[in-house]
Amino acid sequence: AQTVTQSQPEMSVQEAETVTLSCTYDTSESDYYLFWYKQPPSRQMILVIRQEAYKQQNATENRFSVNFQKAAKSFSLKISDSQLGDAAMYFCAYYSSNTGKLIFGQGTTLQVKP
Amino acid sequence: DTGVSQDPRHKITKRGQNVTFRCDPISEHNRLYWYRQTLGQGPEFLTYFQNEAQLEKSRLLSDRFSAERPKGSFSTLEIQRTEQGDSAMYLCASSPTRGQGAAYTFGSGTRLTVV
Repeated sequence: AQTVTQSQPEMSVQEAETVTLSCTYDTSESDYYLFWYKQPPSRQMILVIRQEAYKQQNATENRFSVNFQKAAKSFSLKISDSQLGDAAMYFCAYYSSNTGKLIFGQGTTLQVKP
Repeated sequence: DTGVSQDPRHKITKRGQNVTFRCDPISEHNRLYWYRQTLGQGPEFLTYFQNEAQLEKSRLLSDRFSAERPKGSFSTLEIQRTEQGDSAMYLCASSPTRGQGAAYTFGSGTRLTVV
């Protein structure tokens, strides 16, 4: 079975600085996708960024980028120029093309200090 | 399209009562998922539908839980004889057909409190 592990329950960053959130996963599948979702307090889950496993190039979305290390099964999220609105819980998620299911990590709470 | 809608947003019920939640997915999405999320944790998979067919149920989904998706449109999740351990956020998501790695679109969730 696939598993997703986020080893940092909480992280904090100064506004305008850069922070990296860690994620590792375990799978024997070759066809899968990885996601980072953001969940602000009492608000819905929002897609931040997506990475196809077959692509070597790391995905980027404006201030958000990933470091995808397929052999190491690592998928970290880098947030540059952090803003107060980035404060939220961030979830790493694994999507199996075989089952069509999304499996989440435990989450990392990000605090942004002004 | 207004996205995935869930109703109600909040539900407080007494232990032993039955509750039903509704989810309206994005109209062109044929996959619909239910997840449960407890405070400070990641969402846990409960069940999902491909059109009107329920394809998988998690072991987390006891006999007190039942989900339906008549006509492949909206879905309902019913919990019978609620217990305090059922208190959680129940999330619904929808996506296009599997195999495309399509990102889920989530609803705002239904927060259930069993007292």
